[in-house]
Amino acid sequence: DSGVTQTPKHLITATGQRVTLRCSPRSGDLSVYWYQQSLDQGLQFLIQYYNGEERAKGNILERFSAQQFPDLHSELNLSSLELGDSALYFCASSLAGGLGEQYFGPGTRLTVT
Amino acid sequence: EDQVTQSPEALRLQEGESSSLNCSYTVSGLRGLFWYRQDPGKGPEFLFTLYSAGEEKEKERLKATLTKKESFLHITAPKPEDSATYLCAVQASSSNTGKLIFGQGTTLQVKP
Repeated sequence: DSGVTQTPKHLITATGQRVTLRCSPRSGDLSVYWYQQSLDQGLQFLIQYYNGEERAKGNILERFSAQQFPDLHSELNLSSLELGDSALYFCASSLAGGLGEQYFGPGTRLTVT
Repeated sequence: EDQVTQSPEALRLQEGESSSLNCSYTVSGLRGLFWYRQDPGKGPEFLFTLYSAGEEKEKERLKATLTKKESFLHITAPKPEDSATYLCAVQASSSNTGKLIFGQGTTLQVKP
């Protein structure tokens, strides 16, 4: 158990809908990262928050947004969902905002039908 | 462009048959290289961090090494429970953030 929690574990929704994925980092960690894992793309970095502020952006679609709250938990919002958004979404956390290992949560499996 | 390539894509071993997994990287400047293990449907589990060429880390049957262009994950006398996908990732100097760039992984199957 990494100490990172994610909810829900599974999510099935229809195209055009909006969903919210939630992540709680390990106790004491200030950074939260979101990654997308699909069969053809592997693990892709989406976005990083550090102590409530956006720190880095990867290949995150404009339809996707995230935020980190004062208690350091984070939410990833996915809107106008398409079939191609079906994937595993992982949250990870680390102590600091830069160099260092990240600990991953169990993931949320999103299926868009 | 920063890139990570892992080989082979898949590896089948008999229990006790040692082997190595390769991770080649092309980055503007390496800040750190990370190895993770991932079981099907689960989140990646952190194994090792390597920061500089010549560095080695060990954990049970696994040993990770780093050169200026690549890293190896050596598996000595593997057991069936070592079956998993092993992921390599780098943090590059071009980014002053924690962004990890992952390879596609090597799926290891160890048969009893």
